[in-house]
Parts: sequence; structure tokens; C-alpha cells
Amino acid sequence: DAKTTQPNSMESNEEEPVHLPCNHSTISGTDYIHWYRQLPSQGPEYVIHGLTSNVNNRMASLAIAEDRKSSTLILHRATLRDAAVYYCILRDKSSGSARQLTFGSGTQLTVLP
Amino acid sequence: DTEVTQTPKHLVMGMTNKKSLKCEQHMGHRAMYWYKQKAKKPPELMFVYSYEKLSINESVPSRFSPECPNSSLLNLHLHALQPEDSALYLCASSSRTSGGSDTQYFGPGTRLTVL
Repeated sequence: DAKTTQPNSMESNEEEPVHLPCNHSTISGTDYIHWYRQLPSQGPEYVIHGLTSNVNNRMASLAIAEDRKSSTLILHRATLRDAAVYYCILRDKSSGSARQLTFGSGTQLTVLP
Repeated sequence: DTEVTQTPKHLVMGMTNKKSLKCEQHMGHRAMYWYKQKAKKPPELMFVYSYEKLSINESVPSRFSPECPNSSLLNLHLHALQPEDSALYLCASSSRTSGGSDTQYFGPGTRLTVL
């Protein structure tokens, strides 16, 4: 799977929007963009994924650049419970077998009250 | 029910002990995974099972022995571990066994300490 680059850490104020960036300049046409997060002392949790178009769900929005070389996870109103490590992961849709998630170092999000 | 359960939550063992970690899911998922996570590091894959058969072993030492007795259950048998094996062991499952759009559901992990 192609590599992603994320900032090591970001801070946000509570109840404000948060934009978490991810660069994936070597993305291929068959790569899905996935986001997971890991809250303290818990296993990772799926957040959202997309291929080409922007996506929304109850947790977040995913904005994908037109050239697909970058994407942004948007938390519309950060709460203290959103403090976590956020991982941006690429997954090849043409894979013919169950494969692992390859986690990068992620972005540690701190939410300030 | 989108839950993956893992037992025990915490485990302390000596280097000569034999112990097992257990993972269970009742979502009908046919792919199951073991990951290892050291402190302040991202999770790293150990094993993948697809339809109860081992499909990926990431060159894990033989002191870790996975087992998938049925489609809902995944075990990790531990024997003669080293202190550097102390870590959080995470189990995950996914419904799809191919393609890139599958979502993995993770358990809370077992925190293992080897003395």
C-alpha cells in the first residue's frame, strides 16, 4: 500500500471544527483512503473512508483533493472525547485477499477545553 | 452487535509460562487479525486468518502460535516469551476477505507484561 504523511500532532479548541490533513502523493487509482482513530487505552476505531468523492457520516467528513494526492478529515465540532491518534491509511481495492491495515505514525489530536 | 471482545484485559506472565489470548466476534466476519502495539507506536500486523485459514504470517517468532477454531473465535497461544514481547495485543475482524473498502473492527486489546 502507498505511504501517507501526517503531522505528528495538532491542537483544537473544544466545539470548534478540526481539519486533519493527510498527504498521499503516490496514491494509485485503486487506493481507498481510510481513517481510523485510537482513543487512549482502546483499540483503533474506524472513522470513515472514500475513493474519489467527499464522504460524510455521523462521525466526520472526508474531503478528497481533486488529484487525490491529499485528503482532510473534518471533525465538525471537536469534543474532549475526540482526543485521539488519527491514522490515515491507503488500501488497494484490487487486493484479492484479506490484508492488514498498515498504520503510519498518525496525528495526535489534543482538544483543549 | 459490532463488538470484538478480547480476554483477558491484562496478563502478566513469566518467561517459562504458557498462556493464551482469546478474541471473539459474532458479526459473521470471515477475516480475523492479530496486531501487536508497543507503547507510543502504531499497531503492527502479526497474523491474518481468512475463512479460518492462516493467510498471512508476518514472520512472527514461533513462540506466538495463532489458532482459529471456528469463524467466531481467534486464539493466540504464548509460550516462552521474552520481556520485549510486552505490548498491547489487538484483535480485529472484517466482513470482506478481499478488496480495499473493508472496515476492520478492533477489540480493546490485551495488555501483556512478560517478566
